[in-house]
Amino acid sequence: QVQLQESGPGLVKPSETLSLTCTVSGGSIRTYYWSWIRQSPGKGLEWIGFIYFSGNTNYNPSLKSRVTMTIDTSKNQFSLKLTSVTAADTAVYYCARDLGLVWLGDSQAIYYGMDVWGQGTTVTVSS
Amino acid sequence: EIVLTQSPGTLSFSLGERATLSCRASQTVTNTYLAWYQQKPGQAPRLLIYGASSRAPGIPDRFSVSGSGRDFTLTISRLQPEDFAVYYCQQYGTSPTFGGGTKVQIK
Repeated sequence: QVQLQESGPGLVKPSETLSLTCTVSGGSIRTYYWSWIRQSPGKGLEWIGFIYFSGNTNYNPSLKSRVTMTIDTSKNQFSLKLTSVTAADTAVYYCARDLGLVWLGDSQAIYYGMDVWGQGTTVTVSS
Repeated sequence: EIVLTQSPGTLSFSLGERATLSCRASQTVTNTYLAWYQQKPGQAPRLLIYGASSRAPGIPDRFSVSGSGRDFTLTISRLQPEDFAVYYCQQYGTSPTFGGGTKVQIK
């Protein structure tokens, strides 16, 4: 079955760029949407954004100015870059497969949810 | 941005009890655009319910969702030991958002 694994530095200095990669195994990245979600210590989940295999993206408006997502279909990987980080960006970062909307015949759609998640990687922003 | 409010933040139940968890949206959400997740300590969230009321594979039928418009409810009919966790609702609009979560703990 499809598995996701996040990788990247666990410590990033303030004002620098956080870079993470998610490797997809057991399936192709050439379908569905691929998301990043984060969870600050003791807090809830925050959607960062997603990327489609075509390269189309959708970012959280509150992070949009600092976020870039890319996808490498040859490596079955997608990546997140978050610039100008502060302590507020300290969190567990998850990658997930987002099945997106499935449109029905009568202009209705069903959202199928984020069905596969990586285990998460902790990123601490500190000097 | 649609804000999802899950309150209270913590609920306490005994084994076998029925649990109802609330998710209220700041504006109308298409009910088929709603999903629910379960998260246990140290684990990634797990998809429970999608498309408003469909259970993800492997999710027992004691989990169900109701509601429409701005108010949605996740019901766990008979709490089992493995159900004590944090539950999040999520809406899939132009900009997806999660609720703040409700922790279901043992009374």
